[in-house]
Amino acid sequence: EAGVVQSPRYKIIEKKQPVAFWCNPISGHNTLYWYLQNLGQGPELLIRYENEEAVDDSQLPKDRFSAERLKGVDSTLKIQPAELGDSAVYLCASSRSRTDTQYFGPGTRLTVL
Amino acid sequence: QKEVEQDPGPLSVPEGAIVSLNCTYSNSAFQYFMWYRQYSRKGPELLMYTYSSGNKEDGRFTAQVDKSSKYISLFIRDSQPSDSATYLCAMSAVTGNQFYFGTGTSLTVIP
Repeated sequence: EAGVVQSPRYKIIEKKQPVAFWCNPISGHNTLYWYLQNLGQGPELLIRYENEEAVDDSQLPKDRFSAERLKGVDSTLKIQPAELGDSAVYLCASSRSRTDTQYFGPGTRLTVL
Repeated sequence: QKEVEQDPGPLSVPEGAIVSLNCTYSNSAFQYFMWYRQYSRKGPELLMYTYSSGNKEDGRFTAQVDKSSKYISLFIRDSQPSDSATYLCAMSAVTGNQFYFGTGTSLTVIP
């Protein structure tokens, strides 16, 4: 079974530029999560999807962050414009349902200069 | 005060040692407790999952939960160099609800 796929693995941009991250969850997994992980910290939930519906986005900074999950499969997380403090690893995870084990992707490491 | 506190280490032990990793928490509503292992530049992977108080053993790994003290532990017996990673505790109040992660403890097992 293929794992959660994320791309790109690394991204370096200048501040105020836009950036997008892509996630392909494990086949059949209805629940998808985006997490932010700062250096030396644990992951923090940004948004959770049940199929194509965002059911928990209370931690997503909506002034600059947006996310979508079209057709309830792949998901994209966007930042526009990026700020220096956005430098972190962005993790995507998926699970069969919200009560099942979450499987994490390798993450996208973002550096904002 | 953070929901979950975890000593970041780093922790360095010789091969074969018993490792003890710990987390404390403040929310008495937490009932589901997890330990994740995260290798460098990889995503976290679930190691152990326990519900409420008690012990759970899986091979060289034992997870303990003491809800009265709001304290959880992960023990690794006969530690191996391949155990070198960051270990994250996580917990939630209701299954399927938001996880609260600790900051992670960096472990190095020296051959």
